[in-house]
Amino acid sequence: QVQLVQSGSELKKPGASVKVSCKASGYTFTSYAMNWVRQAPGQGLEWMGWINTNTGNPTYAQGFTGRFVFSLDTSVSTAYLQISSLKAEDTAVYYCARETVWFGDHEIVQGLFDYWGQGTLVTVSS
Amino acid sequence: SSELTQDPAVSVALGQTVRITCQGDSLRSYYASWYQQKPGQAPVLVIYGKNNRPSGIPDRFSGSSSGNTASLTITGAQAEDEADYYCNSRDSSGNHPWVFGGGTKLTVL
Repeated sequence: QVQLVQSGSELKKPGASVKVSCKASGYTFTSYAMNWVRQAPGQGLEWMGWINTNTGNPTYAQGFTGRFVFSLDTSVSTAYLQISSLKAEDTAVYYCARETVWFGDHEIVQGLFDYWGQGTLVTVSS
Repeated sequence: SSELTQDPAVSVALGQTVRITCQGDSLRSYYASWYQQKPGQAPVLVIYGKNNRPSGIPDRFSGSSSGNTASLTITGAQAEDEADYYCNSRDSSGNHPWVFGGGTKLTVL
């Protein structure tokens, strides 16, 4: 069965860095893009961007450029999110989500996030 | 701000029907997908495309679309349907591929 298992909660001080991992199992890792989604406390879902698991090429949403880096280790089927120069406003739950495309009889649906990690809480506090 | 607009909160009596809507320019050209999120849990895909449900999603969940509005309908809402619901589709601004709506908190009375 498909599973995305993320690393555990992190407590960091402002200015530090954090690296969140997302280990995939139950499918061919390089066959599906991996997306990252942020959810600040009490807020909605915010799409951060995605990484092509074949090429390693990342795409970042506006607001997630510069301090945010997506990377891969395909040898262990794992995607990573690294955030540098942490700020208090980075406090959030970060999710990885597998992206798939569905081909129906008369429709094609892209951008389906069919499996999600359990989320990693990153808390930034002095 | 989100390019997809949802009502912040909706309520429904147990066993009744509720519609949750999502508005955005991109919905004139692309389908929305819908995700259910319960407290402390990761989101779960419930509806995608014209009106498709992943395996394991009850058939009381259905989707539809008209113009710039996509809708998620729950027919015969159950207590366990109380959750936050998010739509997702293309970002019409062209800044990036995907965007989520702001979410709708569904209360089952």
